[in-house]
Amino acid sequence: NAGVTQTPKFQVLKTGQSMTLQCAQDMNHNSMYWYRQDPGMGLRLIYYSASEGTTDKGEVPNGYNVSRLNKREFSLRLESAAPSQTSVYFCASSPWGVGRQTYGYTFGSGTRLTVV
Amino acid sequence: GQQVMQIPQYQHVQEGEDFTTYCNSSTTLSNIQWYKQRPGGHPVFLIQLVKSGEVKKQKRLTFQFGEAKKNSSLHITATQTTDVGTYFCAGHSGGGADGLTFGKGTHLIIQP
Repeated sequence: NAGVTQTPKFQVLKTGQSMTLQCAQDMNHNSMYWYRQDPGMGLRLIYYSASEGTTDKGEVPNGYNVSRLNKREFSLRLESAAPSQTSVYFCASSPWGVGRQTYGYTFGSGTRLTVV
Repeated sequence: GQQVMQIPQYQHVQEGEDFTTYCNSSTTLSNIQWYKQRPGGHPVFLIQLVKSGEVKKQKRLTFQFGEAKKNSSLHITATQTTDVGTYFCAGHSGGGADGLTFGKGTHLIIQP
């Protein structure tokens, strides 16, 4: 089982460029999440999708958009990249929604993004 | 909004010494989870605590959830070099649909 797959693993963008970070999970999980991790800041939630067809803002959504393409895939788009968006981006999934219980998250290996 | 605070930020120990990290939430949590992230890696789920006063053990790791469900701790007995990494607590204050709020983590550095 691949778990959660993120692409690309590394990316360098120029200020103002756009890009989409891809995430796919093969565990039939209902819920998917995008976090960013910055030194000393822990993991901060950007957007989440509690179930297929729904998306909601997290703690730091400004400058980002998301698409829950289907149950497997949840993409994160930067329309006009800024240096403040230099970070490590993690996608995660969980089976939340099954009996309304909470479960641990499975994280992807991350995308290391630098905006210059 | 909900805040989860974790202390200490860094902890240096000699191999074989014990280690504890503490987590406090500004709101009552419905559950708390713990994750470990190795340097250069991604967070890996360790455990979830749900009940008030709950204590769970995984080999040398002991996890506790406070009676008021606002604090938690992770204790590692007799640390080993394989324990190196950052330990995060994370919690839900509601039903769990809206994503975990993570603490900033405790970096465990072990000197052989």
